[in-house]
Amino acid sequence: DGGITQSPKYLFRKEGQNVTLSCEQNLNHDAMYWYRQDPGQGLRLIYYSQIVNDFQKGDIAEGYSVSREKKESFPLTVTSAQKNPTAFYLCASSARLLNEQFFGPGTRLTVL
Amino acid sequence: KQEVTQIPAALSVPEGENLVLNCSFTDSAIYNLQWFRQDPGKGLTSLLLIQSSQREQTSGRLNASLDKSSGRSTLYIAASQPGDSATYLCAVINAGGTSYGKLTFGQGTILTVHP
Repeated sequence: DGGITQSPKYLFRKEGQNVTLSCEQNLNHDAMYWYRQDPGQGLRLIYYSQIVNDFQKGDIAEGYSVSREKKESFPLTVTSAQKNPTAFYLCASSARLLNEQFFGPGTRLTVL
Repeated sequence: KQEVTQIPAALSVPEGENLVLNCSFTDSAIYNLQWFRQDPGKGLTSLLLIQSSQREQTSGRLNASLDKSSGRSTLYIAASQPGDSATYLCAVINAGGTSYGKLTFGQGTILTVHP
């Protein structure tokens, strides 16, 4: 069953902690993306990767980090430097940059 | 910088009505346009993709059109059903400048179809 999985579904973090959100795809896609969704702000691009071992900053990369060591995995770390991390985080993938994007179910992060 | 606007922000219709959702974008240098559906607390489901060289795409009761030169797209939903209730998002993949290859999203239209 092909698709994109994200874990966990819900995540709670204390201020000052780093947390890592998981994103895995079995679609054999080269490109992967991380978005943040806030009420009234729409979706904003955090980081994207066109190929293994390469990634670029999106529009709101400050306070986040990523890695792309395997084609199927693109984890996002929310660091303590991110001032307002409470949001809904969505991972997506596409065959290549410019192709149709498919999304995972999302992770809701809440900072306590 | 690309900007995508969706009108209306919210729409409530009785079951069975045909309806149109509108999307406009400021930079016509796009590679393609995608329409998505999002249910509350869920991820996005891709509904239709229109390449920049195409004028429209159809999938079941959905029809999306694209007028790239005027920066507009519409999503037509025929014979609406309560199960169509969701937020509908329009997004363009940019073909030029610093936004090359990135999706720019509209704010979405919240659709409610009541029985």
